[in-house]
Amino acid sequence: NAGVTQTPKFQVLKTGQSMTLQCAQDMNHEYMSWYRQDPGMGLRLIHYSVGAGITDQGEVPNGYNVSRSTTEDFPLRLLSAAPSQTSVYFCASSQTSSMNTEAFFGQGTRLTVV
Amino acid sequence: AQSVTQLDSHVSVSEGTPVLLRCNYSSSYSPSLFWYVQHPNKGLQLLLKYTSAATLVKGINGFEAEFKKSETSFHLTKPSAHMSDAAEYFCVVSPSDYKLSFGAGTTVTVRA
Repeated sequence: NAGVTQTPKFQVLKTGQSMTLQCAQDMNHEYMSWYRQDPGMGLRLIHYSVGAGITDQGEVPNGYNVSRSTTEDFPLRLLSAAPSQTSVYFCASSQTSSMNTEAFFGQGTRLTVV
Repeated sequence: AQSVTQLDSHVSVSEGTPVLLRCNYSSSYSPSLFWYVQHPNKGLQLLLKYTSAATLVKGINGFEAEFKKSETSFHLTKPSAHMSDAAEYFCVVSPSDYKLSFGAGTTVTVRA
């Protein structure tokens, strides 16, 4: 059982380039989300989805787009990369049957924008 | 609104001594509370969660946490630290809309 899989693990972009971070889960979870992790700030929510076809903004959505065409996949798109988007990105999934449910995290994508 | 404050950004302990990581929270609802651990260059792993069934929660690897509503605290403890406990720990609150709010994290260093 793979859980939550993120690709790539590492990426270097030039300012202004675009790219997509991939996230897939095989647990049939309804809820998926993207976070960015910066030193001393914990993880901050970028976008989330409560099911296929439904997405919404989190705490820090600017500069990012998401879509949810299937239950399994939740890609994160950087439209025009900026140095401020240098961070470690985590995708997470969970069931929505209860707010007590555990979130499962991917291994992270370390992104550097130069 | 909800927020989480981890009172220590860094904790250093000797192997075999107790570990205490402090967390205070604020929430408009009766929240769920979690502790996650992140080892270097790894993803996050659930240590334990509070779901109102019991105020003292036991987790993996000998960790436990006590929920104190009057103090709005959810401190994490372990009686005897091991070298493998060196990691970053996050206190997390989840209100009724399933979004997670993370504390800033506490880095634990274990001295031999």
